[in-house]
Amino acid sequence: GAGVSQSPSNKVTEKGKDVELRCDPISGHTALYWYRQRLGQGLEFLIYFQGNSAPDKSGLPSDRFSAERTGESVSTLTIQRTQQEDSAVYLCASSRSSFPSSGNTIYFGEGSWLTVV
Amino acid sequence: GESVGLHLPTLSVQEGDNSIINCAYSNSASDYFIWYKQESGKGPQFIIDIRSNMDKRQGQRVTVLLNKTVKHLSLQIAATQPGDSAVYFCAENSRPRGGSNYKLTFGKGTLLTVNP
Repeated sequence: GAGVSQSPSNKVTEKGKDVELRCDPISGHTALYWYRQRLGQGLEFLIYFQGNSAPDKSGLPSDRFSAERTGESVSTLTIQRTQQEDSAVYLCASSRSSFPSSGNTIYFGEGSWLTVV
Repeated sequence: GESVGLHLPTLSVQEGDNSIINCAYSNSASDYFIWYKQESGKGPQFIIDIRSNMDKRQGQRVTVLLNKTVKHLSLQIAATQPGDSAVYFCAENSRPRGGSNYKLTFGKGTLLTVNP
């Protein structure tokens, strides 16, 4: 597609349930990022994938959080046994590569809004 | 740890005025910086970027200034319009020592409100 696509756009789940959030990056983009944004807050880095390299998981807040990526395409962020503090927007972004340059803009999706009740 | 921060959490300007949004960074290894605009309910949108070998870059109505001596970044918006009302984030792209991958780290954001 033309941009980064995320689904679902909104998700309400009960505390203790598992959720899966999906990200389709821009075609040809090898780098993929997941961020979390709580209401009125900045963006918190979660995990980063670059090609076939081992992902950088340093931002995952607990072992309830995990993410997978199939090759250089779709990524899924899974939150197990959700808690109320997991309520946030989960943003996915992609870029052509990890090397920073003016031609390597990082594009964001619209986010998946998660509410845990 | 090293982080990116913003001086002002909120900024209110009159339509037509120029706006300046500031950002301080502390990671001297950062060599690429980006400004994003985030409107309510939407994902961050790329505005302008700058590499560390530059001190100024201009776009359409926007200018980014980089002062590496004091590790300061600013975004200037000329003739601010109501449609510019949003949260603005600066971000730095840096590679940790010994690491091979870059990571984009965001500041907390500044809410810009443009009054008609």
